[in-house]
Amino acid sequence: EPEVTQTPSHQVTQMGQEVILRCVPISNHLYFYWYRQILGQKVEFLVSFYNNEISEKSEIFDDQFSVERPDGSNFTLKIRSTKLEDSAMYFCASMPSSGANVLTFGAGSRLTVL
Amino acid sequence: GQNIDQPTEMTATEGAIVQINCTYQTSGFNGLFWYQQHAGEAPTFLSYNVLDGLEEKGRFSSFLSRSKGYSYLLLKELQMKDSASYLCAGPSGTYKYIFGTGTRLKVLA
Repeated sequence: EPEVTQTPSHQVTQMGQEVILRCVPISNHLYFYWYRQILGQKVEFLVSFYNNEISEKSEIFDDQFSVERPDGSNFTLKIRSTKLEDSAMYFCASMPSSGANVLTFGAGSRLTVL
Repeated sequence: GQNIDQPTEMTATEGAIVQINCTYQTSGFNGLFWYQQHAGEAPTFLSYNVLDGLEEKGRFSSFLSRSKGYSYLLLKELQMKDSASYLCAGPSGTYKYIFGTGTRLKVLA
């Protein structure tokens, strides 16, 4: 069954460092998303991406965050200068352009900022 | 406003039936989803309702009333492995989905 893959599974970084989280969405999906989940809290929307541009972004997605689709398969989330409160699980998800519009999530990247 | 409400926690016994409710106020309705999330793992899709009524999928069923902004997930013949969080997700704008806080279900032997 097709799946969304994410790397790394776990990253530990120092406050102020840049982090890039990578995702390979399902190949025929056209909508891409990043969500985050702070430990014990709900899954929060960060950003959606379609047709090589951001469709929507949340208040969380400030100037420290950026997304990119550098080639035909990867979708990345960059955090420019990490803060302690960025520690969370980051989930990438993708969705087809037609049909049931079901989000399929990757296994997540756990980011720990020290 | 965009809001999805679910109970925080529920407990049920193995073999029993449990109903997890979800009320929502979101814009641009495009379906109401239920996901299961085990601790430390990604949400996995369970069910999707776009029309009013009941959708049945084995031991899991989901119901939707769009006029009331209400959905529920029904789990039958509960098993220990059903202990997880159950997330209700609804649309907020076009092709953007927001999640409720999730309902943590504990299944007891």
